[in-house]
Amino acid sequence: GQQVMQIPQYQHVQEGEDFTTYCNSSTTLSNIQWYKQRPGGHPVFLIQLVKSGEVKKQKRLTFQFGEAKKNSSLHITATQTTDVGTYFCAGTAGTYKYIFGTGTRLKVLA
Amino acid sequence: DGGITQSPKYLFRKEGQNVTLSCEQNLNHDAMYWYRQDPGQGLRLIYYSQIVNDFQKGDIAEGYSVSREKKESFPLTVTSAQKNPTAFYLCASSIGGTQYFGPGTRLLVL
Repeated sequence: GQQVMQIPQYQHVQEGEDFTTYCNSSTTLSNIQWYKQRPGGHPVFLIQLVKSGEVKKQKRLTFQFGEAKKNSSLHITATQTTDVGTYFCAGTAGTYKYIFGTGTRLKVLA
Repeated sequence: DGGITQSPKYLFRKEGQNVTLSCEQNLNHDAMYWYRQDPGQGLRLIYYSQIVNDFQKGDIAEGYSVSREKKESFPLTVTSAQKNPTAFYLCASSIGGTQYFGPGTRLLVL
């Protein structure tokens, strides 16, 4: 079955450093989404990528969708303590069923 | 005020007991989902529903049951057949692929 893996599982950074998490699917995706979950909270939608090679930016966050539509990345420039949380990707092969990645837990040290 | 509500926030289950988790949305979304999240883990799909009176099993449906009699409601029953039910349960509704999550229910076994 379809699997979505994320690396790294954990990342500790000093405030101001950059952070990147990578998402890899075993199958080609029709689109991919990114979510952020704060400690003790629920996932909150960040963005959806649909096109091959697509790049989208939200302030300090840059999202990429691979050319083969099997991988994606989220890059945060100059992390802040408010960036703390777990970042999940979620992909679908074109149905209502989304497969979530294993998540990357980010800790930012002030 | 639109959104997704889940109740209760905490739920305790005794051995051999069935318990039902509530999920209600007033966003007029057709699709609804139930996920299970274990500590430090990603989200695993239990059941999803694309439309009223229809639902499909996710990856870990054994020991769970759902109903979708109304568009607004998608309750999840954790049956006694689910031997390891302790987890954080998240309900979501979706439009255009974007999933909106409720605050979650933490289920603990006594």
